[in-house]
Amino acid sequence: DAGITQSPRHKVTETGTPVTLRCHQTENHRYMYWYRQDPGHGLRLIHYSYGVKDTDKGEVSDGYSVSRSKTEDFLLTLESATSSQTSVYFCAISDGGNTGELFFGEGSRLTVL
Amino acid sequence: GDSVTQMEGPVTLSEEAFLTINCTYTATGYPSLFWYVQYPGEGLQLLLKATKADDKGSNKGFEATYRKETTSFHLEKGSVQVSDSAVYFCALSDLDSWGKLQFGAGTQVVVTP
Repeated sequence: DAGITQSPRHKVTETGTPVTLRCHQTENHRYMYWYRQDPGHGLRLIHYSYGVKDTDKGEVSDGYSVSRSKTEDFLLTLESATSSQTSVYFCAISDGGNTGELFFGEGSRLTVL
Repeated sequence: GDSVTQMEGPVTLSEEAFLTINCTYTATGYPSLFWYVQYPGEGLQLLLKATKADDKGSNKGFEATYRKETTSFHLEKGSVQVSDSAVYFCALSDLDSWGKLQFGAGTQVVVTP
């Protein structure tokens, strides 16, 4: 199994509070991604990173920011959480091979009350 | 933009029945195609993949063939087991998209004894 650890695995917070989710990898892969999973939508890309300090927006980036100061860590921050951000968040990594295969973490379930 | 459409679930089957999950895609280039599986409480894991037209991906008794003429990548298994109960996601990756995956909405499969 790919070495991907997400923390926290579960979090309940209130509207308007900041939240940071962490993804840590031990595979030294260049690419890292944050997806959210919602019923009826599958997984949608929030942000991704193609190297240290190199990040870009995905399909549903509004209300989210990311940072990658080290190869192994990719942080997702909700500056002011809203109920619409209640979701399961998945981190994924890739070595950038030409098949585009991703390896996923176990997910972080966030509930915003 | 690229998109993936897969049949809605849940699909309920008896053990040893034949399973088909339809997946069609829209893409401007020549994407790689994937089936991912998500078991309850877990992250997604790659089930099989195909990188060019007419390729057949196979794993754990599941098969899917990349059909460029019908833009399809249907998943099949000849005899399902209770342990195959999961959510199945069809996805594509365009080589111009840094390995980012476009996912279908997912199809839940429930296999009963």
